[in-house]
Order: sequence, then C-alpha cells, then structure tokens
Amino acid sequence: GAVVSQHPSWVICKSGTSVKIECRSLDFQATTMFWYRQFPKQSLMLMATSNEGSKATYEQGVEKDKFLINHASLTLSTLTVTSAHPEDSSFYICSARASGRTVTGELFFGEGSRLTVL
Amino acid sequence: AQSVTQLDSHVSVSEGTPVLLRCNYSSSYSPSLFWYVQHPNKGLQLLLKYTSAATLVKGINGFEAEFKKSETSFHLTKPSAHMSDAAEYFCVVSEEGNFNKFYFGSGTKLNVKP
Repeated sequence: GAVVSQHPSWVICKSGTSVKIECRSLDFQATTMFWYRQFPKQSLMLMATSNEGSKATYEQGVEKDKFLINHASLTLSTLTVTSAHPEDSSFYICSARASGRTVTGELFFGEGSRLTVL
Repeated sequence: AQSVTQLDSHVSVSEGTPVLLRCNYSSSYSPSLFWYVQHPNKGLQLLLKYTSAATLVKGINGFEAEFKKSETSFHLTKPSAHMSDAAEYFCVVSEEGNFNKFYFGSGTKLNVKP
C-alpha cells in the first residue's frame, strides 16, 4: 500500500515555542490530507482538512491561528502548533487520500507524532 | 448525520479463539465502512473496507467483516486470534461520494491472552 511518513515521531518543547510536524506521501500524490488529534485512550478527532494549493478547512472549535496548516505541494502538508502550551500535548496523526482514489475513499495514515509541551 | 458506535471499549480473548469486535453505524446515505487497526504509538492501518460491493468483506491478517444493512452493523471477526492482533481497532464510516468526511468510532482495545 501507499506510504505516509510523519516527522518527527516524538517532540518535546518548552511552553511558548512553536513546533512543526511534517506529513509526506512518499509514493503517491495526495491532493487532500487530514490532520487529527488523539487524546489518550480516545478516538481520533479531525482537526482540519488541507487541500493542495488552498487554505485548510478547520473543524469547529479548532483554532486556526493556533494550528497552522500548509499544503504547498502534492506530497507535503505541515502542521505548526504555535505558542504551544501543555494542554496542546497530544498525539497528532495525519492521513492522505491519493489522487484518483476517490471512488474507494481509501485513506493512508502516518505513524503519528507525539508532542509533549513542558 | 453519520455516527459510529463501537459497543465494546475492551475485548479480551485467548490466543487461538475467535474474535468479534462490534460496530453499529447510522447513516443518512449509502455508507462506506472501514476497519482500521492501531498499534501503540503508531498510525492507523487499513484492515478492510466496504464500498457497496459484496457484503462480506475479507481483509488482511485473516480479518473479515459483514455489512448488514437491516441491523446497521459492520462487525469485525477473525476465526483465530494471534498475539500480534493485540491493538486498538477503529470502525469508520464515510458518506457515499463524500470521502472528505470520516466518522470514527471510539475504538475497541483487543487484548489477546496466551
């Protein structure tokens, strides 16, 4: 199957700093990528949908200025957590839908990035 | 509106015995249904998907699921559990023709005892 790579896998930062997480589709083009947040022992919560070359669509309750999403190419989307605080600590997962695979709607997930804000 | 209910938050089975993970959905449209597996600190891997073709869907690692419209269910089964099956399993539904919206169940943690 297709491979989605997330980097970094783990990141620890100080409160007030910004952290960037990358999501890359390695062997396919992804016009649409999704960012999720997962709290311990909970399901995934969709944060935003990013489309290549356009602004991301954020879910209700997700701060756009807090979680900056950029999808500048067909293989890369980034999530930047700005001015991070301890409550932003979480597991962030991206997924990508391959171009042309809209019929089956198959999503491919990254390995996730665990953010810890001290 | 779409929603997904995974009836069991935890399931524990012995190695070699059958696995049943339950999932019920509500959907206003013809749904597409998926089962994903997540190992600790990892992303999600697709096990199988139903997209209005055969109602009995076979996936990877010996898993299968049956779409039952009358019961609005899409339960995941495996005849014989293996230790490596221990993980979190998510049932997911999306609307037909709108794969930008995925609705995740709360997850079922499968424990496999030796």
